[in-house]
Amino acid sequence: QDQLVQSGAEVKKPGASVKVSCKASGYTFISYGISWVRQAPGQGLEWMGWISAYHGHTNYAQKFQGRVTMTTDTSTSTAYMELRSLRSDDTAVYYCTRGAVDTAMTDAFFDPWGQGTLVTVSS
Amino acid sequence: QSVLTQPPSVSGAPGQGVTISCTGGTSNIGAGYDVHWYQHLPGTAPKLLISANSNRPSGVPDRFSGSKSGTSASLAITGLQAEDEADYYCQSYDSSLSGWVFGGGTKLTVL
Repeated sequence: QDQLVQSGAEVKKPGASVKVSCKASGYTFISYGISWVRQAPGQGLEWMGWISAYHGHTNYAQKFQGRVTMTTDTSTSTAYMELRSLRSDDTAVYYCTRGAVDTAMTDAFFDPWGQGTLVTVSS
Repeated sequence: QSVLTQPPSVSGAPGQGVTISCTGGTSNIGAGYDVHWYQHLPGTAPKLLISANSNRPSGVPDRFSGSKSGTSASLAITGLQAEDEADYYCQSYDSSLSGWVFGGGTKLTVL
């Protein structure tokens, strides 16, 4: 079945960077895009950005522009999300989820989802 | 502050029904973009519940239904069961933000 499996939990110090991976299986990777969504403790879901696995185009939420980089490796069907200059309020569970292959597909939904990766930022 | 507004919480007794609203504006729901709904149980990945306003993916019970009108959408759950206790999120696209957005989420408590 279609599946996304993420890398394990991370503990980082303020100012550091974190890179989370998301390996896809069960479907043609380049036929879709990957969005990254996070949930801070006690908060709701927050869309961070998107990357097309087909052409590598990205679209980042304004809040994260300049601090986030999303990439893919089509040879391993893996997506990556790197967040830099970490702050304590970046402590959250980070999810990858399959979505549109192109930003023109604005009505795309997110399915399936990875299991989530807890990133803890603490000194 | 989410651009899609949901009530923080709703509750209902087993067997009863509840409705969760999702109110947007002219740059998202009102612009005609589809609304999708997700069920999120603590410690698990969110699960697609309703796609494209009213479509139930395979395996989702018909107790769950969605609708959309104007700048709002709704998720209705009938015949509440204890296992329905979860957080529910609406999601759409926003042309002003040029990206996808979520509602703030609604916690459903089954009394």
